[in-house]
Amino acid sequence: QKEVEQNSGPLSVPEGAIASLNCTYSDRGSQSFFWYRQYSGKSPELIMFIYSNGDKEDGRFTAQLNKASQYVSLLIRDSQPSDSATYLCAVIYSGYSTLTFGKGTMLLVSP
Amino acid sequence: EAGVVQSPRYKIIEKKQPVAFWCNPISGHNTLYWYRQNLGQGPELLIRYENEEAVDDSQLPKDRFSAERLKGVDSTLKIQPAELGDSAVYLCASSLEQSNSPLHFGNGTRLTVT
Repeated sequence: QKEVEQNSGPLSVPEGAIASLNCTYSDRGSQSFFWYRQYSGKSPELIMFIYSNGDKEDGRFTAQLNKASQYVSLLIRDSQPSDSATYLCAVIYSGYSTLTFGKGTMLLVSP
Repeated sequence: EAGVVQSPRYKIIEKKQPVAFWCNPISGHNTLYWYRQNLGQGPELLIRYENEEAVDDSQLPKDRFSAERLKGVDSTLKIQPAELGDSAVYLCASSLEQSNSPLHFGNGTRLTVT
């Protein structure tokens, strides 16, 4: 069973704080991990992808992957109200070529 | 670079009626996906094409849903007849052929079945 688990939230953080979004997955052999942002009424847009254990930074965003724990996270530094959206974690499971999405975590950044 | 184009943006139909959605992927993207997203849920795959071949349609309700991708470019997704539970956003996405290539989504079609 291919599962991607996320806390639905909402996760509320004040402007300027660090937002930490978490995701766990069920297949230890998975190789590719993605974070998408989805504003209300809009389609998902890719923020980051990560394939190797450790951290990957892109501007205010850092993706962290721990394959031993089957855990991937997204950190957003200096959170802005414009970051308020639903963040979808997606995984490509081993032997399967299509993204499996979690239900998403809603992030609310208050001014 | 033009993104993934979908039409229509919104569609309201009565149950038992047919409906069709159209998608034009990013130029050069051989892989095309149709996902369905219910409110408060993540997208769920309906069908994946590699060029004109449907390589994963295991989640497509084949009794009422059909899809085609003629000439390996544009694609249509059809529902006939529609049921109340089909109300959702239907998302088309495309990617390069490599298995770990990121997906690029269109704006989606919001279907309401009354």
